[in-house]
Amino acid sequence: NAGVTQTPKFRVLKTGQSMTLLCAQDMNHEYMYWYRQDPGMGLRLIHYSVGEGTTAKGEVPDGYNVSRLKKQNFLLGLESAAPSQTSVYFCASSHRGEASNQPQHFGDGTRLSIL
Amino acid sequence: AQKITQTQPGMFVQEKEAVTLDCTYDTSDQSYGLFWYKQPSSGEMIFLIYQGSYDEQNATEGRYSLNFQKARKSANLVISASQLGDSAMYFCAMRPLKGGSYIPTFGRGTSLIVHP
Repeated sequence: NAGVTQTPKFRVLKTGQSMTLLCAQDMNHEYMYWYRQDPGMGLRLIHYSVGEGTTAKGEVPDGYNVSRLKKQNFLLGLESAAPSQTSVYFCASSHRGEASNQPQHFGDGTRLSIL
Repeated sequence: AQKITQTQPGMFVQEKEAVTLDCTYDTSDQSYGLFWYKQPSSGEMIFLIYQGSYDEQNATEGRYSLNFQKARKSANLVISASQLGDSAMYFCAMRPLKGGSYIPTFGRGTSLIVHP
């Protein structure tokens, strides 16, 4: 059982380049999330999705776009990368919010550096 | 709006001793869930323990227990008999359970170092 899989695991970009991070989950979870983790800042929510075809902004959405065309996949795009987007990115998934005691399941993270 | 506060950026404990990691929260929701996650140096996020706001007893999972004080809005994680493998970042999170977006909010984390 793979759980939540993120690709790639590492990436170095130049300022202005674009890229897409892929998240795939095999647990039939309705909710999916993208976070960024920076030292001392904890996990900050970028965008999330409560179901196929729906997305919503989180705490720090600027500079990112997302799409959820299939239930199992959640893509995070950087259209024009900036050094401030250097971070570790985590994808997570979970059952519907009413499933009260169900935790989020996280991928292993993507370490992204913008030069 | 929800807010999670973890006031201890770093904690040190001797192996085999108990340690308490603090978490306070602020919410107007009456029904919510509290979660603790562990992030070792390898980077993955590991779910540890859950406490519901209407649970009458404090949650326990092996060496982990949650000291839940609803009136004080605190949900402290207690790790008994610390082990070297407990050295990690620990995150507290909260999620509303009714009438909301059900999206969790995380604290900034506490770094725990266990000394031999």
